[in-house]
Amino acid sequence: GEDVEQSLFLSVREGDSSVINCTYTDSSSTYLYWYKQEPGAGLQLLTYIFSNMDMKQDQRLTVLLNKKDKHLSLRIADTQTGDSAIYFCAEIRISGNTPLVFGKGTRLSVIA
Amino acid sequence: GAVVSQHPSWVICKSGTSVKIECRSLDFQATTMFWYRQFPKQSLMLMATSNEGSKATYEQGVEKDKFLINHASLTLSTLTVTSAHPEDSSFYICSATGDVNTEAFFGQGTRLTVV
Repeated sequence: GEDVEQSLFLSVREGDSSVINCTYTDSSSTYLYWYKQEPGAGLQLLTYIFSNMDMKQDQRLTVLLNKKDKHLSLRIADTQTGDSAIYFCAEIRISGNTPLVFGKGTRLSVIA
Repeated sequence: GAVVSQHPSWVICKSGTSVKIECRSLDFQATTMFWYRQFPKQSLMLMATSNEGSKATYEQGVEKDKFLINHASLTLSTLTVTSAHPEDSSFYICSATGDVNTEAFFGQGTRLTVV
């Protein structure tokens, strides 16, 4: 099965909060990331969290990590139409120059 | 933040021809670069890892003779898709990391269409 799993679609109304969930399987993950991909573009790093943390907040973004359940979430407050994109969670198993393991991405659609 | 420039952003080529994609780190030395491929509505799949001055390490199922990777300097890696076929049409993205960097900086991606 997949090492990193995400639901594929999420639709929210403008102004509401969006919560994108991710589960991973490798307990040795050291960093967990959220990336945003707009149509036809590369990836933009939104935020990341160390595996010894359980929460990180950055403006409208809140990342929650439940290490016991291997569950990661990204909450976007006051979602805007510009937030419509695909959001990927990713983990890195060994710090340093190793590749990221990505989920399949969650397509967030924001309805005006 | 650090910038990784990928070029071209899109390319259309005829079947049987070769296409080269460049990935440059503009303001840091990228000791390691990764090449990913993204199929429609799917996640990014790692193709290969390249370290400056050495041969790339390819993931299982990726043909090294078809996807030639060169990482000749600390700021440039290239991916050449040789004898391209329509099934090679995809979105290719590179990322780069420095020595102690935990953050992967990504290029903008290249959309390859083989006709």
